[in-house]
Amino acid sequence: DTGVSQNPRHKITKRGQNVTFRCDPISEHNRLYWYRQTLGQGPEFLTYFQNEAQLEKSRLLSDRFSAERPKGSFSTLEIQRTEQGDSAMYLCASSLSSSSTDTQYFGPGTRLTVL
Amino acid sequence: AQSVTQPDIHITVSEGASLELRCNYSYGATPYLFWYVQSPGQGLQLLLKYFSGDTLVQGIKGFEAEFKRSQSSFNLRKPSVHWSDAAEYFCAVGAQTGFQKLVFGTGTRLLVSP
Repeated sequence: DTGVSQNPRHKITKRGQNVTFRCDPISEHNRLYWYRQTLGQGPEFLTYFQNEAQLEKSRLLSDRFSAERPKGSFSTLEIQRTEQGDSAMYLCASSLSSSSTDTQYFGPGTRLTVL
Repeated sequence: AQSVTQPDIHITVSEGASLELRCNYSYGATPYLFWYVQSPGQGLQLLLKYFSGDTLVQGIKGFEAEFKRSQSSFNLRKPSVHWSDAAEYFCAVGAQTGFQKLVFGTGTRLLVSP
């Protein structure tokens, strides 16, 4: 069990550029979540996958955001035409739905800075 | 809708003293409750969780929390704080059915003085 990993850990980009983040969940976990955390706030839910199906999206996830989990393993989160308001920590979590307690384990996050 | 309130933004505790961090939640049914800890620039580490049964739950690093349904609270406690406990602590609530979108509080930053 190597835990949830996220890459890159830090990303600095200019306004208007596209960025993509990757999340590798714990290997047997079938559920994967994306959250966003801004300074001084708790994480806020963005979207959720069960296997490869994206089952829930928050209203926070504007049309510029897209997430995929093509083979039910790793996931990517892409932000198109980045804005300064997108600057935040993007956290990925995974869980196992078949367990009696569906506990989410978080990765270290990707910190995005939009200049 | 689910919500979590952590009324204390900052708390300073002397090393060796006891700690209690407050968490109040709003949820229409029996919730899943969690405490996570976050060190600067890092992700979230699970400290403990409540799903059912004994309302006093034990976690890692000597932490415990008590679920009080009548007060809609899930306060985190530790009898003796260590300098390494300085971090940000988040309480979260999730549904017991369906998928678990966690709703987090705004966090409490713990400072430990020597």
